[in-house]
Amino acid sequence: GAVVSQHPSWVICKSGTSVKIECRSLDFQATTMFWYRQFPKQSLMLMATSNEGSKATYEQGVEKDKFLINHASLTLSTLTVTSAHPEDSSFYICSARDGREWHQETQYFGPGTRLLVL
Amino acid sequence: QQQVKQSPQSLIVQKGGISIINCAYENTAFDYFPWYQQFPGKGPALLIAIRPDVSEKKEGRFTISFNKSAKQFSLHIMDSQPGDSATYFCAASTGGSYIPTFGRGTSLIVHP
Repeated sequence: GAVVSQHPSWVICKSGTSVKIECRSLDFQATTMFWYRQFPKQSLMLMATSNEGSKATYEQGVEKDKFLINHASLTLSTLTVTSAHPEDSSFYICSARDGREWHQETQYFGPGTRLLVL
Repeated sequence: QQQVKQSPQSLIVQKGGISIINCAYENTAFDYFPWYQQFPGKGPALLIAIRPDVSEKKEGRFTISFNKSAKQFSLHIMDSQPGDSATYFCAASTGGSYIPTFGRGTSLIVHP
């Protein structure tokens, strides 16, 4: 099956620093990748949608200058949390769609990255 | 505005019992309804999905029942096992955008 990896799995940083999270599709080319944020015991909140080679589309209320998304290739998307603050602490999850599939509704999720900003 | 309402928020069942989680949606343009299973500290994994042209889909112990007229769908876990203890999310999406709208999740605990 399609596998999506994320790195790092967890990160602790000081307030004001920037953190980069990588999302890779390991055995397929992802035409579209998604970034979600999840708070404890809550549902997934879509932050942005990224297509390879184009600018990401951000959901309403998500600061694009704070959450920088780069979809450099069909297998890699990165999320950079700039000038992180404690309120940015959360579980960040990426997902990807397999462009080969006839029905492209299926999203394959990564294992998530736990970010703690001190 | 919550477009997909999921209930219950939490569910406790005994091993071997049936777990039932319900979802209701409002947008009649939704045409793909997946269920995801998420273990603590992990990303969600697709469990089973259904389209509105069928009323039921079964994969092993997991069954989706779909009622288009009522705009409701549910997940049934037969012979529930402790290993099924996880959070389950229903979702719905439309053709074209393929971006799912998630329910709020159900925390399932199966007691041995």
